[in-house]
Amino acid sequence: AQKVTQAQTEISVVEKEDVTLDCVYETRDTTYYLFWYKQPPSGELVFLIRRNSFDEQNEISGRYSWNFQKSTSSFNFTITASQVVDSAVYFCALSEGGTGRRALTFGSGTRLQVQP
Amino acid sequence: SQTIHQWPATLVQPVGSPLSLECTVEGTSNPNLYWYRQAAGRGLQLLFYSVGIGQISSEVPQNLSASRPQDRQFILSSKKLLLSDSGFYLCAWSSRSHHEQFFGPGTRLTVL
Repeated sequence: AQKVTQAQTEISVVEKEDVTLDCVYETRDTTYYLFWYKQPPSGELVFLIRRNSFDEQNEISGRYSWNFQKSTSSFNFTITASQVVDSAVYFCALSEGGTGRRALTFGSGTRLQVQP
Repeated sequence: SQTIHQWPATLVQPVGSPLSLECTVEGTSNPNLYWYRQAAGRGLQLLFYSVGIGQISSEVPQNLSASRPQDRQFILSSKKLLLSDSGFYLCAWSSRSHHEQFFGPGTRLTVL
């Protein structure tokens, strides 16, 4: 069975601080996909990134960066120089590979509050 | 570009009443479609998914049902709502060639 753990329930930082959101996953699949989503107060989930299990290259997009390490089954998300607009709940998710149901298994989310 | 719609945005229903939530996708064909529920302050739970018209798979036993009468339409229904059905319902779609899912704006359901 697949499982995603986000141990940090809530994080509070002051604007311009760097913050890392942790994600640890469990799966028996050899091919799988990892995701991060952002859920602002409006409620809609916004897709941020997808990472394939066979591609461990880290990725940077502006102030966002992601560190994927298969050896520790982790897919951590770092926001550099945080801003108030980054305040949201962030979800890490996992899906199986192949042509099956491809449903997402979500972690419980980390609520990030960025104080001005 | 693709767009996903959900309605209504909010709904307050009495216990025992029926439910119908609708989701439609524009700008793509033959998508995979999903219904998730998010209880207050918690993560998302997959309820149903569909890989084609009339093809519905249920993930958890409950008093909800889903239907896909058209390629880009996904409906979530109940004959009699329970208090425990309250939550935030999200519809999502994905293409056959990619794994990321894109979510609609959601429906906030309160059962009283």
